[in-house]
Amino acid sequence: AQSVTQLGSHVSVSEGALVLLRCNYSSSVPPYLFWYVQYPNQGLQLLLKYTSAATLVKGINGFEAEFKKSETSFHLTKPSAHMSDAAEYFCAVNDKTSGTYKYIFGTGTRLKVLA
Amino acid sequence: DAGVIQSPRHEVTEMGQEVTLRCKPISGHNSLFWYRQTMMRGLELLIYFNNNVPIDDSGMPEDRFSAKMPNASFSTLKIQPSEPRDSAVYFCASSRMPGPVPYEQYFGPGTRLTVT
Repeated sequence: AQSVTQLGSHVSVSEGALVLLRCNYSSSVPPYLFWYVQYPNQGLQLLLKYTSAATLVKGINGFEAEFKKSETSFHLTKPSAHMSDAAEYFCAVNDKTSGTYKYIFGTGTRLKVLA
Repeated sequence: DAGVIQSPRHEVTEMGQEVTLRCKPISGHNSLFWYRQTMMRGLELLIYFNNNVPIDDSGMPEDRFSAKMPNASFSTLKIQPSEPRDSAVYFCASSRMPGPVPYEQYFGPGTRLTVT
């Protein structure tokens, strides 16, 4: 069964520092992969998605993620953190071979940006 | 586009009462998902519909929960009777499937339910 693991439930970075949020998936076939962001008291908003067209995916707000099949990873990065990036980030996977449209979400990583 | 619309945004009710949450998906979307988010369990898929038909309700916690989608533009999630452990934020999401891969889901703002 497919699954997704987000390492680190809380990550703190200084403003201007590199942001790295980790996501690993478990699937026999490279799945569809997504990163969502949730700001306080709001719904989830799509940051970026892996379509298999390119391994490096660029999203909104300066975020990007790299799909690495050999490592079964889809880590989210941003070169320079901004205070407005403080939020919770969710990685999600959809197994395109399962015949289902369900996402499996990770447990989330709460990003704190220090001034 | 108005996005996914959920109502009410906040609901406070007493244990034993019936609660109905409502969702209007994005126009043109034919798949709808209900999620529940809690601190303890994270984000859980409760049920999803495709073309108004329930496809997978394996996440519905128990018989007290029911969901309907009478038409393409409206869905309800009902809890009867409600219990304090049902307190959570309930999200609705919609998508167009099959459609542009990889099946992006669009989330509503959520309904924060508190059962006292």
